[in-house]
Amino acid sequence: GAGVSQTPSNKVTEKGKYVELRCDPISGHTALYWYRQSLGQGPEFLIYFQGTGAADDSGLPNDRFFAVRPEGSVSTLKIQRTERGDSAVYLCASSLTGQGTDTQYFGPGTRLTVL
Amino acid sequence: GDSVTQMEGPVTLSEEAFLTINCTYTATGYPSLFWYVQYPGEGLQLLLKATKADDKGSNKGFEATYRKETTSFHLEKGSVQVSDSAVYFCALSDRQGGSEKLVFGKGTKLTVNP
Repeated sequence: GAGVSQTPSNKVTEKGKYVELRCDPISGHTALYWYRQSLGQGPEFLIYFQGTGAADDSGLPNDRFFAVRPEGSVSTLKIQRTERGDSAVYLCASSLTGQGTDTQYFGPGTRLTVL
Repeated sequence: GDSVTQMEGPVTLSEEAFLTINCTYTATGYPSLFWYVQYPGEGLQLLLKATKADDKGSNKGFEATYRKETTSFHLEKGSVQVSDSAVYFCALSDRQGGSEKLVFGKGTKLTVNP
């Protein structure tokens, strides 16, 4: 079956601009996660959705970052007033129920470059 | 908070050599433990997992045992192949904050030469 998909695969923007990154999880998965991976580092948690609601947004670095999942499926990560330090690969993952024993399935990521 | 420490890379081995990548963790509760792998040009994928102490996860010839007494989850393979060249990430599931988010180590890059 189809895996997690993310669009765009690459995004280049200028400092100060607004960007949206999209994640399409595996059909039927109620849990959705966003992570950010900087060069040479492991992924770092940003936000977790259970259904339509953000159950844990403790990883969002500041209020320029926001994410939605209005219908409990597709999610969009929104970054306002981008800064060069936001450059990273943004990863989305989904799991069936969100329990700790569940496997999280990752998408290919969106590479964001802020010039 | 919870954390994962894995051995620094890069690691370079010859084909058929024995592989160990060390991973230790710090956690307040009883996390599940995972090894994820990222092949060149591909996304992260689960390699194996263990959900409680003394469990052994295994897949594709790789093994790791959940050792609560030493808070470790070392990855091993008896005979590596060129196709095992990838970046390997150790991770735990962190139940703090109401979610089962993953906490990752920094990754270990493995290169296997023919």
